[in-house]
Amino acid sequence: IVMTQTPLSLSVTPGQPASISCKSSQSLLHGDGKTYLYWYIQKPGQSPQLLINEVSRRFSGVPDRFSGSGSGTDFTLKISRVESEDVGIYYCMQAIHLPWTFGQGTKVEIK
Amino acid sequence: EVQLVESGGGLVQPGGSLRLSCAASGFTFSNYWMHWVRQAPGKGPVWVSHIIGDGSATTYADSVKGRFTISRDNTKNTVYLQMSSLRAEDTGIYYCARLGFNWGQGTLVTVS
Repeated sequence: IVMTQTPLSLSVTPGQPASISCKSSQSLLHGDGKTYLYWYIQKPGQSPQLLINEVSRRFSGVPDRFSGSGSGTDFTLKISRVESEDVGIYYCMQAIHLPWTFGQGTKVEIK
Repeated sequence: EVQLVESGGGLVQPGGSLRLSCAASGFTFSNYWMHWVRQAPGKGPVWVSHIIGDGSATTYADSVKGRFTISRDNTKNTVYLQMSSLRAEDTGIYYCARLGFNWGQGTLVTVS
């Protein structure tokens, strides 16, 4: 499954919103009713950290300024008010079929 | 709390071998599929391999098939990645992963 993210880079003023799109080449809706789409952030020098499970469930400790939405093949990660600590590369990932596949990554910078 | 701690990385010559380990805690290890994901310098993550809970089934990325072997010891809550015939393109950070949770901090493998 090919995952396509847009944009590939984003420069955001602190306090402003940001949005990243992720499209999959096949539906990520499984027969069990779950949609296997995940969002990660990789901050500089760190391992990727999970932000969102199954399209829209924030992982433990993730601030509520992060939200995920979408269905089928089209998904969006939104940051309601970007903070300086949100700098990094954001990846979407599908896990409905092996191999897991990732988007190309979206680099978020602060203006 | 789910914790995954990788170890075993290092510098190895092309054609060499290395065994990575991932110690898991905070969950009933034998109930879950475990995965290895790697990330080459400056590149995005790439899935490498997976093993089901009882270890009876495994899958591999085409790029490592026949060279890497994933295994697990459910008595030690540990998953392994035996890597052989290593190539320069296998260089990167190797992460242990369970779906829906944070990955470990990774272990660096350098083939040079």
